[in-house]
Amino acid sequence: GIQVEQSPPDLILQEGANSTLRCNFSDSVNNLQWFHQNPWGQLINLFYIPSGTKQNGRLSATTVATERYSLLYISSSQTTDSGVYFCAVVSNNNDMRFGAGTRLTVKP
Amino acid sequence: EPEVTQTPSHQVTQMGQEVILRCVPISNHLYFYWYRQILGQKVEFLVSFYNNEISEKSEIFDDQFSVERPDGSNFTLKIRSTKLEDSAMYFCAGGQVSNQPQHFGDGTRLSIL
Repeated sequence: GIQVEQSPPDLILQEGANSTLRCNFSDSVNNLQWFHQNPWGQLINLFYIPSGTKQNGRLSATTVATERYSLLYISSSQTTDSGVYFCAVVSNNNDMRFGAGTRLTVKP
Repeated sequence: EPEVTQTPSHQVTQMGQEVILRCVPISNHLYFYWYRQILGQKVEFLVSFYNNEISEKSEIFDDQFSVERPDGSNFTLKIRSTKLEDSAMYFCAGGQVSNQPQHFGDGTRLSIL
């Protein structure tokens, strides 16, 4: 099946810093989503982005489908951005495969 | 905005007992999914369901697991005889089309004693 790799596995930032999270996948995809898992375990959908670029406030994402990667940018990070960020993809099958996540800690 | 609703939020069960996790998907969704996340690990696909039948399932989804959409509203995951290793967060998700975004519920935390 499709492989999803996220980097870095852990990231520690000072409040106000910017960061880039990366997701590589091994096959073509029909669907790619970025999620933020908050401390209560909820999966919050950030972006549906199988290709192209989207922005939502301080967050933006870019997927280059032909090169099989996606990037999530977080600007001016806040302590509430802390948590685990997951990239998840759907290829030819109907099942969504998640990466192992990037654990972000934003320090005040 | 419509939401995917899961109940209960936390379920504690003795090993060997049957457990049913419930989900109410968004009304216009046609595709339904269950995922599992063992504490500290990544989210894993269990099963997808479309047109009242399983369309895909992972190697995790063995004979102890079953899914049902009995009344056109609720979507349930049943674990027949729970094991300690079934302890995890279980997420239900749904979508209108298979390659469109999936909307996730808040999860049910299952603890097997």
